[in-house]
Amino acid sequence: GAVVSQHPSWVICKSGTSVKIECRSLDFQATTMFWYRQFPKQSLMLMATSNEGSKATYEQGVEKDKFLINHASLTLSTLTVTSAHPEDSSFYICSASGQGAESNTGELFFGEGSRLTVL
Amino acid sequence: QKEVEQNSGPLSVPEGAIASLNCTYSDRGSQSFFWYRQYSGKSPELIMFIYSNGDKEDGRFTAQLNKASQYVSLLIRDSQPSDSATYLCAVTHGTYKYIFGTGTRLKVLA
Repeated sequence: GAVVSQHPSWVICKSGTSVKIECRSLDFQATTMFWYRQFPKQSLMLMATSNEGSKATYEQGVEKDKFLINHASLTLSTLTVTSAHPEDSSFYICSASGQGAESNTGELFFGEGSRLTVL
Repeated sequence: QKEVEQNSGPLSVPEGAIASLNCTYSDRGSQSFFWYRQYSGKSPELIMFIYSNGDKEDGRFTAQLNKASQYVSLLIRDSQPSDSATYLCAVTHGTYKYIFGTGTRLKVLA
């Protein structure tokens, strides 16, 4: 299957600072990337959908000014958590679909996830 | 009402037994159904997908779909301790926008 790489895998930061998480498609062109957040013992909640070259579409209740998403190329999307607070501590996972990745199953390819802890 | 519902578990089964995981969904227009396995602290990995009513088998795994009852299940035969994980049911409407259930935690006891 297609490979999606996410970095960093874990990060600890102080309250009020910003953190950037990268999501890369290594062997296909990701026309669409999805960002999820998962709190302990809860399901994956879709935060936003990003299409290459256009503004991300945010789900209801997700602050677009706090969670900045950039999808400037077909292989890279970034999520920046601005002015992070302890309640932003979570597991953030990206997934991708696109040209060269599909296997006619509708399968999404997930990154490894990034665990953010805000002190 | 949640769009995709799963019993959170944990579901405990002895090694070698059949584990049965269930999922119900609310949108009758749902078209594609996926089962993902997620180990603690890791991202999900695809186990099975199913589009049509009936059963679909892949090795030790069988997915069952009943659109009339809005129900999809996953059977794991000959359960192994390595199968212990959280199993997520996901539903789409023909796009890549997934709706995930909360997951069922499975424990396979050695």
